[in-house]
Amino acid sequence: EVQLVESGGGLVQPGGSLRLSCAVSGFTFSNYWMAWVRQAPGEGLEWVASTKEGGSDKYYVHSVKGRFTISRDNAKNSLYLQMNSLGAEDTAVYYCARDLAASGSYDCWGQGTLVTVSS
Amino acid sequence: QSALTQPASVSGSPGQSITISCTGTSSDVGGYNYVSWYQQHPGKAPKLMIYDVSNRPSGVSNRFSGSKSGNTASLTISGLQAEDEADYYCNSYRSSSTSYVFGTGTKVTVL
Repeated sequence: EVQLVESGGGLVQPGGSLRLSCAVSGFTFSNYWMAWVRQAPGEGLEWVASTKEGGSDKYYVHSVKGRFTISRDNAKNSLYLQMNSLGAEDTAVYYCARDLAASGSYDCWGQGTLVTVSS
Repeated sequence: QSALTQPASVSGSPGQSITISCTGTSSDVGGYNYVSWYQQHPGKAPKLMIYDVSNRPSGVSNRFSGSKSGNTASLTISGLQAEDEADYYCNSYRSSSTSYVFGTGTKVTVL
């Protein structure tokens, strides 16, 4: 059974940092592009970042470039999102997702982890 | 970056067919066959319904179909059922920023 389990969310002050993790099982992690997608409370979905199978290529939405870093450890079947200089606009549920066809086709999702940026 | 444009809401009676549009530009929807559609029920993670414009993942009902014409992609739900009531989002690759972008979302109501 395919499983993606996010962790690391919580309450953080503006300007602070947080590292999200996504542990995956049930498929060959190193064969897939992976992504982070977020959803602010009551709002729509927003693609945040993607990484290629080997982790060498990484892409970000403009609003997080220079602040967020996506990474992966294929030996540990884990995806990460390092978030720095957090602002209120980053408050959201963060999902990790598997890209089925390397085309933004997210067929497996975690349950999400809530990040709240507030003083 | 600007989201793809979807109608805020679409409704239909059980058994009817409805279509949700997703309008972009030649840099995203119109330029690539990398359009996907997601269903999201309240408090749940999204579910992939269509990928690469018109492909259905294993396990998704054939009542769901996708298409594209020019800069507009469409999701059609035929034989509408109560369980189809949810939010729906499109997603596309955007070459101008080497990124992906979601649509604004459409709330589907089954009357």
